[in-house]
Amino acid sequence: AAGVIQSPRHLIKEKRETATLKCYPIPRHDTVYWYQQGPGQDPQFLISFYEKMQSDKGSIPDRFSAQQFSDYHSELNMSSLELGDSALYFCASSLLGSSYEQYFGPGTRLTVT
Amino acid sequence: GEDVEQSLFLSVREGDSSVINCTYTDSSSTYLYWYKQEPGAGLQLLTYIFSNMDMKQDQRLTVLLNKKDKHLSLRIADTQTGDSAIYFCAESIRTNFGNEKLTFGTGTRLTIIP
Repeated sequence: AAGVIQSPRHLIKEKRETATLKCYPIPRHDTVYWYQQGPGQDPQFLISFYEKMQSDKGSIPDRFSAQQFSDYHSELNMSSLELGDSALYFCASSLLGSSYEQYFGPGTRLTVT
Repeated sequence: GEDVEQSLFLSVREGDSSVINCTYTDSSSTYLYWYKQEPGAGLQLLTYIFSNMDMKQDQRLTVLLNKKDKHLSLRIADTQTGDSAIYFCAESIRTNFGNEKLTFGTGTRLTIIP
């Protein structure tokens, strides 16, 4: 079965640079969620989208923005990167009416040096 | 993870049952979940239970929910080496939009002893 695809899988950036993470949801899923998992920590919800519209917002820094496109894929844009942004970034997808079944992608590991 | 708590480590002999425990604080949780994370991998949804249920069984997995005590457990029968992973408990709250917003616990690292 098709799963959530994230790219790139690994990304190394320097402080103050920008990064763009991409997420391709499971086919027919209309809702996308972004989570951040710091080293040794639990995943924290950042933001979610449904039909290109932001649906819920969590602890997403103002330096980050995200959007969902007409093909349902989503991008997380991160600017003015800080060392503390180094983390595993997960995307998850679901159908709106079944958001209790969120399926996670493999994650993008971002390292800021 | 501050609203969802788990023990950090658990070691179990191969073939024994593993029981991973979790406590949560929000009485308005709609669903409770167990996710599995293997090293360097993503989060795999193992099972979930609606907050009005008290038990769910799925092959080797048994989930028990004590809503009064806000306690959730995952029992893995006949634990195998492939069960070695970090297990995250999570609760969800329904948002105004209608989504389930997940809050994860700190994770329990399950180690299998041969």
